[in-house]
Amino acid sequence: GAGVSQSPSNKVTEKGKDVELRCDPISGHTALYWYRQSLGQGLEFLIYFQGNSAPDKSGLPSDRFSAERTGGSVSTLTIQRTQQEDSAVYLCASRRAGAGNTIYFGEGSWLTVV
Amino acid sequence: TQLLEQSPQFLSIQEGENLTVYCNSSSVFSSLQWYRQEPGEGPVLLVTVVTGGEVKKLKRLTFQFGDARKDSSLHITAAQPGDTGLYLCAGGLPGSARQLTFGSGTQLTVLP
Repeated sequence: GAGVSQSPSNKVTEKGKDVELRCDPISGHTALYWYRQSLGQGLEFLIYFQGNSAPDKSGLPSDRFSAERTGGSVSTLTIQRTQQEDSAVYLCASRRAGAGNTIYFGEGSWLTVV
Repeated sequence: TQLLEQSPQFLSIQEGENLTVYCNSSSVFSSLQWYRQEPGEGPVLLVTVVTGGEVKKLKRLTFQFGDARKDSSLHITAAQPGDTGLYLCAGGLPGSARQLTFGSGTQLTVLP
């Protein structure tokens, strides 16, 4: 597609439920990032995928968070047993190999845990 | 502790005024980027600076990378309501697979 696509755009879930957020990066982009952003705040790094290399998971805040990237393209971020503090916008971004540090963001998935 | 500190955190000014936003760190970056984010959207890249002392201009916006590549500034001349948004700086750490570390952001509101 023309840009990074994320779904759902909005998700309201009950505390304790699991959620899955999907990211479809720009075609041909080998690097994929997940960030979390609280209201009006900066971006908190979660996880980074680069080609077939092992992902950098150092930003995941707890073992309730996991992500996978299938076939080097689509990625899914899963949050298990959601808590109210998980409420935030989850942003996905992708980058083309050899493009330096220029990354392109999706519009985000707004998660509200009630 | 934020690796990149932005100031001010919030800024509200009248249309036509000038303003400067700062991005500071004790770390050296291989490059530094500025993004603008509007409500309900992802951040959009404005500029990338890579050389110490580099100055780039984008219409009424002037970006400068510090000589030591540890800090940057964004200056807006004659601000307009359309400049309203969250401004984020992001630094590329040498040798880091993550490649980008974001600042905490500056929320700018330009009043008509």
